[in-house]
Amino acid sequence: DGGITQSPKYLFRKEGQNVTLSCEQNLNHDAMYWYRQDPGQGLRLIYYSQIVNDFQKGDIAEGYSVSREKKESFPLTVTSAQKNPTAFYLCASGSIGGSPEAFFGQGTRLTVV
Amino acid sequence: GQNIDQPTEMTATEGAIVQINCTYQTSGFNGLFWYQQHAGEAPTFLSYNVLDGLEEKGRFSSFLSRSKGYSYLLLKELQMKDSASYLCAVTLAPGRTTDSWGKLQFGAGTQVVVTP
Repeated sequence: DGGITQSPKYLFRKEGQNVTLSCEQNLNHDAMYWYRQDPGQGLRLIYYSQIVNDFQKGDIAEGYSVSREKKESFPLTVTSAQKNPTAFYLCASGSIGGSPEAFFGQGTRLTVV
Repeated sequence: GQNIDQPTEMTATEGAIVQINCTYQTSGFNGLFWYQQHAGEAPTFLSYNVLDGLEEKGRFSSFLSRSKGYSYLLLKELQMKDSASYLCAVTLAPGRTTDSWGKLQFGAGTQVVVTP
């Protein structure tokens, strides 16, 4: 079945450690996105990529890094520079110029202690 | 930037109708999405409006007025499973090479509680 997969679903890390969240899609979508969701707030765009080996900062990129070495994969690293990393992270993918629907993964809940 | 407002919470009875309003102020607008999100899960696509008017899809309908910067999602014949957060999101005008459909600006979401 085609879809977008995030792993792990829950992640715990100690403060000061970098952590990488995985996102894989087999929908053949060119574009992939990372959003962060906090209680009482809407999803906020962290980074996005429309083509392999290229990506752009979203609204809240500070303290995060990404790579897009393969079309199917768009991992997000939460670095120690991110001041408040505990959140629900959602990855999405979509067509460029095609169907407007963005497909979301199941999310990773990151807790930093 | 974008400013997108929707109510925080709405409560309705099973079988009733609920209308969730969304207003937006944008510096470029192409279309408006509604997503449903159950707690701890991924948002799922409900509707997309780019032209003025009403789009009906089963028990769910979505309306858009571009001139007023206003949209609503109408949920009819409410069921308990409709208890969820409903997210309004806008996408910027096409033609900008750095944008695509998934680059969305979201409202904070409206939590709908359906009671027996």
